[in-house]
Amino acid sequence: DVKVTQSSRYLVKRTGEKVFLECVQDMDHENMFWYRQDPGLGLRLIYFSYDVKMKEKGDIPEGYSVSREKKERFSLILESASTNQTSMYLCASSFSGQGALDTQYFGPGTRLTVL
Amino acid sequence: KQEVTQIPAALSVPEGENLVLNCSFTDSAIYNLQWFRQDPGKGLTSLLLIQSSQREQTSGRLNASLDKSSGRSTLYIAASQPGDSATYLCAGLEYGNKLVFGAGTILRVKS
Repeated sequence: DVKVTQSSRYLVKRTGEKVFLECVQDMDHENMFWYRQDPGLGLRLIYFSYDVKMKEKGDIPEGYSVSREKKERFSLILESASTNQTSMYLCASSFSGQGALDTQYFGPGTRLTVL
Repeated sequence: KQEVTQIPAALSVPEGENLVLNCSFTDSAIYNLQWFRQDPGKGLTSLLLIQSSQREQTSGRLNASLDKSSGRSTLYIAASQPGDSATYLCAGLEYGNKLVFGAGTILRVKS
């Protein structure tokens, strides 16, 4: 079974803090993704990565950065947390082999609260 | 820009009913259409994936259809059970392995 793990289930931070969210997958997937999920808005893509050291902006990258130094690990960084970044953050990964056949596998999510 | 809409936003049914969840998308240039389930406070679990060349997929009591020309997909759940209570999300896969999600349908099946 594919396993995607996220470093924390719940996180509380203060405005202005630097926040790191970690995601690890164990299936040697090339693609990794970070989404945020807010009520009524569904999941929105923040950043994604096709390979080590490669990253692409998603739909809402402002206020975020990412790091992928190893294939299995994809980190989301909030440089200076703000209250409007309070949300559920979901990481996902997928195999890059056959495009249309590949589903994304999701981690359990991190609920971040910024006070 | 792709937009995915799910109707209804919430649904409450008695146990045993057959039900249909609807998903519509504005851009037919998708590689596949996926349905996910999300339990409260949890991540997403993939239920069904329909490739753009397919019309439907079935898994147990679940059947999903895809009509690219009209920009619609439906998820049919037969003989609903309280354990089916969850949020159901549809998503279209675009070029570059990017999924575009609807806001979801919250389903409650009453025993």
